[in-house]
Amino acid sequence: AQTVTQSQPEMSVQEAETVTLSCTYDTSENNYYLFWYKQPPSRQMILVIRQEAYKQQNATENRFSVNFQKAAKSFSLKISDSQLGDTAMYFCAFMKPFFTGGGNKLTFGTGTQLKVEL
Amino acid sequence: EAQVTQNPRYLITVTGKKLTVTCSQNMNHEYMSWYRQDPGLGLRQIYYSMNVEVTDKGDVPEGYKVSRKEKRNFPLILESPSPNQTSLYFCASSLFTSGDSTDTQYFGPGTRLTVL
Repeated sequence: AQTVTQSQPEMSVQEAETVTLSCTYDTSENNYYLFWYKQPPSRQMILVIRQEAYKQQNATENRFSVNFQKAAKSFSLKISDSQLGDTAMYFCAFMKPFFTGGGNKLTFGTGTQLKVEL
Repeated sequence: EAQVTQNPRYLITVTGKKLTVTCSQNMNHEYMSWYRQDPGLGLRQIYYSMNVEVTDKGDVPEGYKVSRKEKRNFPLILESPSPNQTSLYFCASSLFTSGDSTDTQYFGPGTRLTVL
């Protein structure tokens, strides 16, 4: 079974600064996908970024980028130019592709609460 | 607007009183899934469905039922709710299960359930 670990329960950052959220995972699979989801106070789960394990290039979405280290099983999220609206709980998630028998199940970490301060 | 909707958004009920949480998507997605979120545990999958009339258990299916009679709807049924089912519930859907970006799951707004 896969496990996802987020070792930072809470973090804070000053507005306009850069912050990195950590995520490690454990799997014996070679094909899989990794995600970061954001959950603001509204509790909506919002996709931030997705990474395919077979891709060496790190995914980026505007101010959000990842550092994917497959051998180390590490998947950190970097938020640049932090904004007040980035304040949220951030969840790292792992998914085995359906064709590998994974059922497309997302396995989530326990989350990191990020607070962006003025 | 493309979206996943859930109803109700908030529900307080009593032990043993059957309830249904509805989930509907307007994106013609084949795959749908239910998760529950509990403090310190992240989200855990309850059930999922690959398509109409095809459902399967996730990690925590005990005490829940689902059905998929129509492509757009995937209701979650609690036949006899208990206090340990107090949680935040999310429905999610994705276009395909083919293993490319179309299997990215998009979530509904959540349903806060309290069982007394």
